[in-house]
Amino acid sequence: NAGVTQTPKFQVLKTGQSMTLQCAQDMNHNSMYWYRQDPGMGLRLIYYSASEGTTDKGEVPNGYNVSRLNKREFSLRLESAAPSQTSVYFCASLETLAKNIQYFGAGTRLSVL
Amino acid sequence: RKEVEQDPGPFNVPEGATVAFNCTYSNSASQSFFWYRQDCRKEPKLLMSVYSSGNEDGRFTAQLNRASQYISLLIRDSKLSDSATYLCVVWGGGGADGLTFGKGTHLIIQP
Repeated sequence: NAGVTQTPKFQVLKTGQSMTLQCAQDMNHNSMYWYRQDPGMGLRLIYYSASEGTTDKGEVPNGYNVSRLNKREFSLRLESAAPSQTSVYFCASLETLAKNIQYFGAGTRLSVL
Repeated sequence: RKEVEQDPGPFNVPEGATVAFNCTYSNSASQSFFWYRQDCRKEPKLLMSVYSSGNEDGRFTAQLNRASQYISLLIRDSKLSDSATYLCVVWGGGGADGLTFGKGTHLIIQP
């Protein structure tokens, strides 16, 4: 079972460059999420998608855009990367139906120089 | 603002000991509760859900106190492999972003 797959695992960018983080889940979940995790800050929600075709801002959306391409895929785009976006990014999907359990991808470690 | 608070630790515990830590939440309407485990530089993974009556999974026991709005996790006979960060997660309901994560408690099991 693949679960939630994120690519790439590592990325180094220069300030001002753009990139897209890819996420796909094969569990037929409706809801998908993007988080960033910084030391001492815990997981912070960037954007989420409750269902195909909908996206909403989370706690820290500035500097990011998302696309829910279909039920499986939810991508995160940095249009002009900044050093403050150096972080570990996690994608997750949510199993509802009274369970509300999130499943996470392995993460993308991004450094912006 | 929905908040989930945890003692960040670290808790340094000898192997074989029992360790417990708590998590408090502010939203009294919260509906579901979980403990996740996160190993260094890895993704969070579900350790166990927390049920109203309390529940046990091997060496792990989770308790919920709705009146005082806290959740606890007890680990018995701790193993070196239990070293990790334990995240308290609360589902407040009412929307897809209803999950709120604590910042985690860092546990170090020492030989």
